[in-house]
Amino acid sequence: GQNIDQPTEMTATEGAIVQINCTYQTSGFNGLFWYQQHAGEAPTFLSYNVLDGLEEKGRFSSFLSRSKGYSYLLLKELQMKDSASYLCAVRDNAGNMLTFGGGTRLMVKP
Amino acid sequence: NAGVMQNPRHLVRRRGQEARLRCSPMKGHSHVYWYRQLPEEGLKFMVYLQKENIIDESGMPKERFSAEFPKEGPSILRIQQVVRGDSAAYFCASSPPRSTGPPLHFGNGTRLTVT
Repeated sequence: GQNIDQPTEMTATEGAIVQINCTYQTSGFNGLFWYQQHAGEAPTFLSYNVLDGLEEKGRFSSFLSRSKGYSYLLLKELQMKDSASYLCAVRDNAGNMLTFGGGTRLMVKP
Repeated sequence: NAGVMQNPRHLVRRRGQEARLRCSPMKGHSHVYWYRQLPEEGLKFMVYLQKENIIDESGMPKERFSAEFPKEGPSILRIQQVVRGDSAAYFCASSPPRSTGPPLHFGNGTRLTVT
């Protein structure tokens, strides 16, 4: 089975940096994904880690430690439009199926 | 280069009616995944299908829910005798055959409201 935990809500200030953590316990592992979801919209792919370390993509970075079952998503230079839910998901060994955490609702304040 | 297409975007049904949700995968994709999202919650896996085959339905409720992906046409998620608790957003994603590279890309979802 899969168990994926992330904080329910976070608040940060425009222009600041925020780190959203995700811990997982899974029977299989073939990659960890981060998605962004604005209210009422589809999840959109942000970042992907399969090996340990940091992946950087503009204002967004994602880190993975497989031995610790831990990942984080780092958002820099926060903008108001970054207010959204951020979903952590683990892909199992069987293919492309993703198991999602409950999501972290981020509110960016001026 | 159309993405994953879902219709309808919004569906309203009375208790006891049937709901049919459609998903057309991206061109060249033969694998389809259905997820359900209750308000303020994450996505819950329901079913994984290939053309004419159900690969994994471990997330499907045992009764009233069924899914198919025929040789021709879209994948269909069917909910019989809907109840208020079925009100949710249903998202579909697709992928190429046995590829572990690209991430899943989701359609815009169908928002089902049961009155």
